[in-house]
Amino acid sequence: ETGVTQTPRHLVMGMTNKKSLKCEQHLGHNAMYWYKQSAKKPLELMFVYNFKEQTENNSVPSRFSPECPNSSHLFLHLHTLQPEDSALYLCASSQQTGGETQYFGPGTRLLVL
Amino acid sequence: EDQVTQSPEALRLQEGESSSLNCSYTVSGLRGLFWYRQDPGKGPEFLFTLYSAGEEKEKERLKATLTKKESFLHITAPKPEDSATYLCAGLSYNQGGKLIFGQGTELSVKP
Repeated sequence: ETGVTQTPRHLVMGMTNKKSLKCEQHLGHNAMYWYKQSAKKPLELMFVYNFKEQTENNSVPSRFSPECPNSSHLFLHLHTLQPEDSALYLCASSQQTGGETQYFGPGTRLLVL
Repeated sequence: EDQVTQSPEALRLQEGESSSLNCSYTVSGLRGLFWYRQDPGKGPEFLFTLYSAGEEKEKERLKATLTKKESFLHITAPKPEDSATYLCAGLSYNQGGKLIFGQGTELSVKP
C-alpha cells in the first residue's frame, strides 16, 4: 500500500447504528486530518492530530468521535448520525501541521438512512 | 473572516480550447496557496503550492500563478482527461495548518 488509504470506501448506516471509518497513511507523516465534503460545498475540516495529539476540533458534533492510536492510523467513530451527515469523508496527512502539503485518501462515501 | 472563492463554478471547454480558472482569496497572512485536482468519487490530488506573489509553477498543460489577491490555473490545449474538479485552498499564518478551501471549479473537456 502507498499513500493514504481509507476503509470502507462506501458505507450505508441507519441512524441508530455505530460504525467506524479507518484511515492509514504510508508516508511517514506526523499529522492527520479528517474532512467532510458535502455536495457543492467546500471541504470542511473536522479534526486535526499532530503526533497522536488532537490539536483541533472544528466544532464537530459529539456523534463523531476521532481516535488516533499512532501517527499512521486515524479512526472516526460514528454513532446516532443524522441524514444530513451523509457526505464524503476524507482523511489527509502531512509531515506536520505547520503548513506542509496535505495528501488525501480516496474517501469514504457515507449514506445515513 | 478568511475566505476562498473560485470561479466559474463550472466550465465546459472543447479539446484544445485554452482557458483559466480563478481563485480569489481573503486570507490574513497567506502562508501558501494550494491547488488540487479531484476526480469523481476520489480524494483530492495535490498539484501545486504557491508561496509568494509573482510565483508560477507548471505541470504538463497546467500553469498556476499567484498575485496578492488571487491565483489562476491556466489550462493550455486541454484534453478530455483534464476533466475534473479543481480545488483551491489558502493557508493562513493565523490559523496554523488549517487549509481554507474554495468550492471548486468543475471542468469538462469535450473531444
